[in-house]
Amino acid sequence: NAGVMQNPRHLVRRRGQEARLRCSPMKGHSHVYWYRQLPEEGLKFMVYLQKENIIDESGMPKERFSAEFPKEGPSILRIQQVVRGDSAAYFCASSPPSFNEKLFFGSGTQLSVL
Amino acid sequence: GDSVTQMEGPVTLSEEAFLTINCTYTATGYPSLFWYVQYPGEGLQLLLKATKADDKGSNKGFEATYRKETTSFHLEKGSVQVSDSAVYFCALEQGGSEKLVFGKGTKLTVNP
Repeated sequence: NAGVMQNPRHLVRRRGQEARLRCSPMKGHSHVYWYRQLPEEGLKFMVYLQKENIIDESGMPKERFSAEFPKEGPSILRIQQVVRGDSAAYFCASSPPSFNEKLFFGSGTQLSVL
Repeated sequence: GDSVTQMEGPVTLSEEAFLTINCTYTATGYPSLFWYVQYPGEGLQLLLKATKADDKGSNKGFEATYRKETTSFHLEKGSVQVSDSAVYFCALEQGGSEKLVFGKGTKLTVNP
């Protein structure tokens, strides 16, 4: 059973470009979470999604950031018009439908904005 | 809001040394507490957890006890190995929130 797969592992963008980060949850997992780790900081919750629904986006910046988890395919975290302050490691985690099951994390995508 | 404060790193130890990584938290109510570990090039893995006061989580020789009176959840291991070299994250979860609040992480390097 493959773990949580994130791609790309490293993404370089110039200021003003768009960044798309992908996350394929573990098989059978219908809950996806995105976290961001800024330099010298802990991981910060961004958004929690279930298939085709955003459940909690209280940690998402109000502008330029969006997330989706379609019925088919991976979850996508999209950042429009990136700025240098978006440079960070973005982690995805998934869990099965039963609450209180532990989270399984991917290896993260390191976004660098030039 | 809720927060987690971890011991600043990096920590460098010799093999078989005793390890303590301090973690304290600020939260309302009674959160669940976790230690996650991230080995080089991998995602975070749950190392151990405790869900109520005085619970002790343990795994792979690591232990941590949920201390409500001191709001702490310090990670300990009696004899570290080179393979324990990793970044360790302390985290809390408020019941029903489905969100984890993490500390900044502590990098541990164990030398032979």
